[in-house]
Amino acid sequence: QQQVKQSPQSLIVQKGGISIINCAYENTAFDYFPWYQQFPGKGPALLIAIRPDVSEKKEGRFTISFNKSAKQFSLHIMDSQPGDSATYFCAASMSAAGNKLTFGGGTRVLVKP
Amino acid sequence: DSGVTQTPKHLITATGQRVTLRCSPRSGDLSVYWYQQSLDQGLQFLIQYYNGEERAKGNILERFSAQQFPDLHSELNLSSLELGDSALYFCASSLLDRPWGETQYFGPGTRLLVL
Repeated sequence: QQQVKQSPQSLIVQKGGISIINCAYENTAFDYFPWYQQFPGKGPALLIAIRPDVSEKKEGRFTISFNKSAKQFSLHIMDSQPGDSATYFCAASMSAAGNKLTFGGGTRVLVKP
Repeated sequence: DSGVTQTPKHLITATGQRVTLRCSPRSGDLSVYWYQQSLDQGLQFLIQYYNGEERAKGNILERFSAQQFPDLHSELNLSSLELGDSALYFCASSLLDRPWGETQYFGPGTRLLVL
């Protein structure tokens, strides 16, 4: 059972544009929602994370928007750069269950110069 | 560099064989997680250890087992390998397993190919 659904599977954006990736979850016990960035041949690396009592969090060009009632959250990459070309994973975990991460299916982002 | 090391980087073996993947967590981290990444299943949690004890289990096959040693390094043992076990295996570590917001740092992975 896929508990975190991520869309789109792939995304092409022009340099300077905005990349938007959406995720939806089912389990209301999730209490931590991180986004990971993965480059080819590397392990995932934490990009930004949010907790469900916050509706938005911004770090540099990356913003998470969180809608608890809709059980949805999204990542916005502003002023996208070619170096942002990577696969992005949303994830969710619950501290009561050891913080194991449940990942979305991933979105491959290509930023064209 | 996350500070998590995994060996070997690549592993090629045959069906029916047994392999051991090794992970050294970041210095000071007590919790180790194992994940499998495959094209059809995506990134899936396998198992977590905290300070030597099993803390959580995911969709880990009975043919797979893991342990965390007193020096906190961990090993994932995969036996009776099948073609479908070919995947990237990641280890991640965090300082604790609670409370909220414990960042998991991922290693570079071990790419397993079963022929």
